Amino acid sequence: AQRVTQPEKLLSVFKGAPVELKCNYSYSGSPELFWYVQYSRQRLQLLLRHISRESIKGFTADLNKGETSFHLKKPFAQEEDSAMYYCALKSYNTDKLIFGTGTRLQVFP
Amino acid sequence: DAGVIQSPRHEVTEMGQEVTLRCKPISGHNSLFWYRQTMMRGLELLIYFNNNVPIDDSGMPEDRFSAKMPNASFSTLKIQPSEPRDSAVYFCASSSLPRATEQFFGPGTRLTVL
Repeated sequence: AQRVTQPEKLLSVFKGAPVELKCNYSYSGSPELFWYVQYSRQRLQLLLRHISRESIKGFTADLNKGETSFHLKKPFAQEEDSAMYYCALKSYNTDKLIFGTGTRLQVFP
Repeated sequence: DAGVIQSPRHEVTEMGQEVTLRCKPISGHNSLFWYRQTMMRGLELLIYFNNNVPIDDSGMPEDRFSAKMPNASFSTLKIQPSEPRDSAVYFCASSSLPRATEQFFGPGTRLTVL
């Protein structure tokens, strides 16, 4: 079964500290993976996708097929990074996105 | 473009009442998704439409839930009768499949069933 696991409900760090939000997936084929973010009082929006291999707002995520992981990382957290982060998986033969349960990131000053 | 529009933004109702949530996708998008967000289960896909046709409704929890998309610019999610466990935030999202996989979300409807 396809599944996305985000083991941490809450991650709290101080400004300037490194951040890693964990995401593991269960899928037998080649998935597309995404990170979506929801800032306070804003809509859920796409942060980045693995096929783009891009860095957005200082965040990067590398797909590790051996470990079936797609962890989101940022070397130096900022207060404005505080938000809810969702990892999502899309299988190649469907248009559905399967979301994890989300991790709330709190960055303290 | 105002993005995906959902109404109402908040709905409080009593158990047993019918609830109708509305969504207007982004103009030109051909796919529409309904999600439910809860603390325990996160974001769950309920149903999605492609070109106004329901493609996958396997996430619809039970027969009390139904969704329609009568045209490209409007969709409804109906719960009848509503129950307290239906309390959640319901999101609508749209996309331009298959060209683009990014989904654009609406602001959500917070439903409280007393």
